Parts: sequence; C-alpha cells; structure tokens
Amino acid sequence: DTAVSQTPKYLVTQMGNDKSIKCEQNLGHDTMYWYKQDSKKFLKIMFSYNNKELIINETVPNRFSPKSPDKAHLNLHINSLELGDSAVYFCASSRPNYGYTFGSGTRLTVV
Amino acid sequence: QKEVEQDPGPLSVPEGAIVSLNCTYSNSAFQYFMWYRQYSRKGPELLMYTYSSGNKEDGRFTAQVDKSSKYISLFIRDSQPSDSATYLCALPNDYKLSFGAGTTVTVRA
Repeated sequence: DTAVSQTPKYLVTQMGNDKSIKCEQNLGHDTMYWYKQDSKKFLKIMFSYNNKELIINETVPNRFSPKSPDKAHLNLHINSLELGDSAVYFCASSRPNYGYTFGSGTRLTVV
Repeated sequence: QKEVEQDPGPLSVPEGAIVSLNCTYSNSAFQYFMWYRQYSRKGPELLMYTYSSGNKEDGRFTAQVDKSSKYISLFIRDSQPSDSATYLCALPNDYKLSFGAGTTVTVRA
C-alpha cells in the first residue's frame, strides 16, 4: 500500500545504454513529478505532469523523455546514458499547493 | 540568485538542544511554505506545511514564516538522535516545488 512507488531502486548501467524508471501513485493526485537529486543532495525539478499533460520541462536534455499513460503513472525513459546522469531520481505526486509525496528514489549509476 | 537559499551546514548538536534552521527566498509570489525531512537513502517526507506568516507548532517542531522579510525557519526542540537527517525548505509555485539546498543535522547522543 505504498503511496508513491518507483522501480527499480537501484540501476547500474553502462554509458550509451537506454533505461527506464517507472512510477505509480495510489493517492488519487492529479499532478506527478520527476526530480533529480545530485551528489550535493540538491533536489531539482525535471518534469511536471498534470492530468497526463506535460506542464513543466525544466531544461532537461532531450535524452530524457517522460511518459504518463494515465494519472496514476509517470515513467521516465533515458536514452544514451552519460556519466553525468548518475544521480538519485525521485518521483512525486501532489494536489495543487499541497504537500508532495515522494517515492523512495531510484539510484542510477552510469559506468 | 537562487530562488531559495539555505545554508547546507552541516550542523551538529548535542541531544536535547534546540535546532534552528532557516531559508530565505526571493520571489514574493510564494504563498505556501514547507519543510521536508530526508533520512539517508530515503525520499523526502513532509514535515511541516504553512501558508501564512507567523508560527505553526507540531509537537517538538515549530515552523515560522516572515513574509515581509522573505524568511522562513524551522525549530526543533529537545532534539533526539532520531532527528538526524537532512532538512529541506520547499516552496511550491506553478506546478513545481523549489527546494533549498538542505541542511544536514546530526544530533549527538
């Protein structure tokens, strides 16, 4: 009964590979997000989706492509992975101007 | 200039001390103010949420907002080793949450 669940928890892959991270929320929230947390722990918005529509794309490289098949799911596909993509990626969901609920994160390591 | 400024610390205090954390922000459009706590290798969890100037208490935690100075604070009374975590201020606006850098707090037993 996890509120926001994302898979996988850990991902180790080689440069140049393509990988996907999946996210699901069972809170009935309309808005979902992807955040990236770098090695200095700074959390930065990547994408916001509201009712399956892309609202925010915060200057993220085209190699990153989010997809929202329905309001409860937001997946992140990353093409041609680079060393600099290594980070922790968090999915979150919310109602407008209410607290966000975060998943437990996907730790991506590109080698 | 970042939208939200927060001293990353780290901060180390003895058990029982008062922990004081703060952030400043630049955009007066922010109307809601949050504090998140993040334990190591976990996702951030909402700790406090307020939408007006003044104080809000929840147990040992007090959130303080001064909109005129664009300054928000979080106080932890009677700190416990279990309070050791990273604390992040966060301000929602236009379908995104702008975070401070986070302050890492260690409470020594």
